[in-house]
Amino acid sequence: NAGVTQTPKFQVLKTGQSMTLQCAQDMNHNSMYWYRQDPGMGLRLIYYSASEGTTDKGEVPNGYNVSRLNKREFSLRLESAAPSQTSVYFCASRTGYEQYFGPGTRLTVT
Amino acid sequence: GQQVMQIPQYQHVQEGEDFTTYCNSSTTLSNIQWYKQRPGGHPVFLIQLVKSGEVKKQKRLTFQFGEAKKNSSLHITATQTTDVGTYFCAAIIQGAQKLVFGQGTRLTINP
Repeated sequence: NAGVTQTPKFQVLKTGQSMTLQCAQDMNHNSMYWYRQDPGMGLRLIYYSASEGTTDKGEVPNGYNVSRLNKREFSLRLESAAPSQTSVYFCASRTGYEQYFGPGTRLTVT
Repeated sequence: GQQVMQIPQYQHVQEGEDFTTYCNSSTTLSNIQWYKQRPGGHPVFLIQLVKSGEVKKQKRLTFQFGEAKKNSSLHITATQTTDVGTYFCAAIIQGAQKLVFGQGTRLTINP
């Protein structure tokens, strides 16, 4: 039981490049989330998926897209990366009221 | 949108001293959660408080939810080096589908 896994762990992009962050959970949770964490800003919700087949915007969705591929997987795509998207990205899934977080992806955009 | 303010942003203590972080909202919260994030790690759920005036304890950690359900606190008695990390409060909104997090309090400890 791996919990929530994220790939890659680290990534460096040049401005304008695109990439997809992958997230998978093996706990059969319905709800999944993408957050970004910046110093002094806490965790800010980018997008979430309450169940397979649905996605909704969070607090900071601009510049991102998501896909809930199936119940296990929820990916985050940056179509044209910008330096402002340099951050640590966390995926999470939820059962009941507790959220389980993945180990994070540290993304740098130069 | 709903905001949760957390103070202080940083706290440095000597090992053995107590530590408290506070979480405040301008609106009444249905419940509040607390998470801990070790340096370089990911947030880990600690507890959820639901009832007005609720107090819960986990070993040296004491969690309180205010009578008006607009504030909460986490108090650590006699800190240890294992307590180092950032502590976040988070409020559940929109039918428990989303969490809004406070900015976090980063605790460092001098051994």
